[in-house]
Amino acid sequence: SQELEQSPQSLIVQEGKNLTINCTSSKTLYGLYWYKQKYGEGLIFLMMLQKGGEEKSHEKITAKLDEKKQQSSLHITASQPSHAGIYLCGADTGGYQKVTFGIGTKLQVIP
Amino acid sequence: DADVTQTPRNRITKTGKRIMLECSQTKGHDRMYWYRQDPGLGLRLIYYSFDVKDINKGEISDGYSVSRQAQAKFSLSLESAIPNQTALYFCATSDSGTGNNEQFFGPGTRLTVL
Repeated sequence: SQELEQSPQSLIVQEGKNLTINCTSSKTLYGLYWYKQKYGEGLIFLMMLQKGGEEKSHEKITAKLDEKKQQSSLHITASQPSHAGIYLCGADTGGYQKVTFGIGTKLQVIP
Repeated sequence: DADVTQTPRNRITKTGKRIMLECSQTKGHDRMYWYRQDPGLGLRLIYYSFDVKDINKGEISDGYSVSRQAQAKFSLSLESAIPNQTALYFCATSDSGTGNNEQFFGPGTRLTVL
């Protein structure tokens, strides 16, 4: 969706390296959702951010929401092969009606 | 057992055929969605339903129809399938009572139209 831009679209990193994925909205964010998808499978919910400046972590994955910039970043520390997959951000820009998703970032982690 | 199930998981059909994809959920959620995923285009919303009597078009509803038979069931139909409807289809649910729109996805149906 052009409402939601993800970058980069593709990323290859060496195991152990850190990485960041960005998600930028052209509209005001009421909620930002991060999902992970194994190739050809369903989406697994990672984290939800609702307040400006909010930051959440789960294991080695941290997500932040910059409300002023209408942007969220997903940071993975010390990447592992199990982190490989497609990361999608979803934005609630209309007050809990529906979510618009980005194209996704394909992450490969090389052992 | 999975909370959101989709049937079939894979389907190959021919142009012009009618096909139905089914979605069932045991989460007790009131909201249900149908998306399609295409390489380079991401996840796009086809239809969504906020309760049994509510059906709304998403951004790409042409060529599709839906039926919300019960709170737990939401089916997607392709009346006359065409090759550009070849895609990965996902059903999702959410609970309006949570105050957010966290969605729970099914495993997907891979549809190929020849």
